[in-house]
Amino acid sequence: QKEVEQNSGPLSVPEGAIASLNCTYSDRGSQSFFWYRQYSGKSPELIMFIYSNGDKEDGRFTAQLNKASQYVSLLIRDSQPSDSATYLCAAPSGAGSYQLTFGKGTKLSVIP
Amino acid sequence: DVKVTQSSRYLVKRTGEKVFLECVQDMDHENMFWYRQDPGLGLRLIYFSYDVKMKEKGDIPEGYSVSREKKERFSLILESASTNQTSMYLCASKQGYNQPQHFGDGTRLSIL
Repeated sequence: QKEVEQNSGPLSVPEGAIASLNCTYSDRGSQSFFWYRQYSGKSPELIMFIYSNGDKEDGRFTAQLNKASQYVSLLIRDSQPSDSATYLCAAPSGAGSYQLTFGKGTKLSVIP
Repeated sequence: DVKVTQSSRYLVKRTGEKVFLECVQDMDHENMFWYRQDPGLGLRLIYFSYDVKMKEKGDIPEGYSVSREKKERFSLILESASTNQTSMYLCASKQGYNQPQHFGDGTRLSIL
């Protein structure tokens, strides 16, 4: 069973700070990773994806992938109260699989 | 942008009823998925489909069935609704292996 693990939080950061969300995965063959944001009562929304080792930046968001250590992280710079949500990490469920395995999510609270 | 549309945002049914949840996507995606999401349990895959008339069981298929007669539409059926099927139901679609899943808005189903 492929696993994706996240710290459930809650993670609290002050407004304007950097929020760091982490995710580890068990399948060394995983090649793509996705970060979703989910507001309370809403459905998950894709915010970032990363395929290669290193960093990928999109606005205030940076995804970091380290395949050797099997972790992927999401950094949110200049955190805003509107970033308060649960963040889900996901990876393919196995080689050739179209399914994704999701972590249980980290709840982020940005304090004004 | 990918659009995944679920037929109802909120639904209330009675135990023993047969319940249909409908999902339509507009991007000609091959793969479609049904999940349920419960507090503390994360996203759990019920069924998925990789082509018309094709279906595969996910992690929790008991009490559910699915139908995919057309590529754009994937229906989830609760054969005889029970109170433990009260949950948020999420439909998603995706194209290729390394592509993200795109979610609909979700249906919050209550079984009384």
